[in-house]
Amino acid sequence: QAGLTQPPSVSKDFRQTATLTCTGNNNNVGDQGAVWLQQNQGHPPKVLSYKNNKRPSGISERFSASRSGNTASLTITGLQPEDESDYYCSAWDSSLNVWVFGGGTKLTVL
Amino acid sequence: QVQLVESGGGVVQPGTSLRLSCVTSGLRFNTYGMHWVRQAPGKGLEWVAVLWYDGTREHYADSVKGRFTISRDNSKNTLYLQMDSLKSEDTAVYYCATERTAVELDYWGQGTLVTVSS
Repeated sequence: QAGLTQPPSVSKDFRQTATLTCTGNNNNVGDQGAVWLQQNQGHPPKVLSYKNNKRPSGISERFSASRSGNTASLTITGLQPEDESDYYCSAWDSSLNVWVFGGGTKLTVL
Repeated sequence: QVQLVESGGGVVQPGTSLRLSCVTSGLRFNTYGMHWVRQAPGKGLEWVAVLWYDGTREHYADSVKGRFTISRDNSKNTLYLQMDSLKSEDTAVYYCATERTAVELDYWGQGTLVTVSS
């Protein structure tokens, strides 16, 4: 089962904006969108955005998700040191009946 | 306060079996679909299996199909993962996570480590 494609690493300056991408196909991201998760070292993942691009309560407005075709994006504005983390996308594949994950993007805040 | 607590991990030899549990509290368990997701040491997240809220549908990753079985006991608010014919590549931290309509992968446990080694 092929996973979703994420860039392995992204580096951006403090207080700048980072956009993380996640590319799938018509059966997963293009069909229903993607979930975005943040994972800090030694901790379980935390959901940042659901497939409908809505944020859970308590998640900062600096995190926003969107989708264009088969590519989902997570935009983080006003980067803070605490945003330095691993970010994963995930989607339901309606053709294969499986969930697929991206390989993750390590975000570095310079 | 929602809590998911995994248990049952440990060190086992290849070819053996293990059963993981995920005890939940603070939520209406029988209204949530449940996932198992794993993470090998130093690697990314890998989805393992999902079970519908009422137990009527289950799906598995190809890597575990035929070896792992996901189940639940709604009377005990508990999710299980029976893992048979374990391989070294099954070594990972195993997390359980919840799902409802439009609220996916919302709550996660702290994970339980499974190490398959001879």
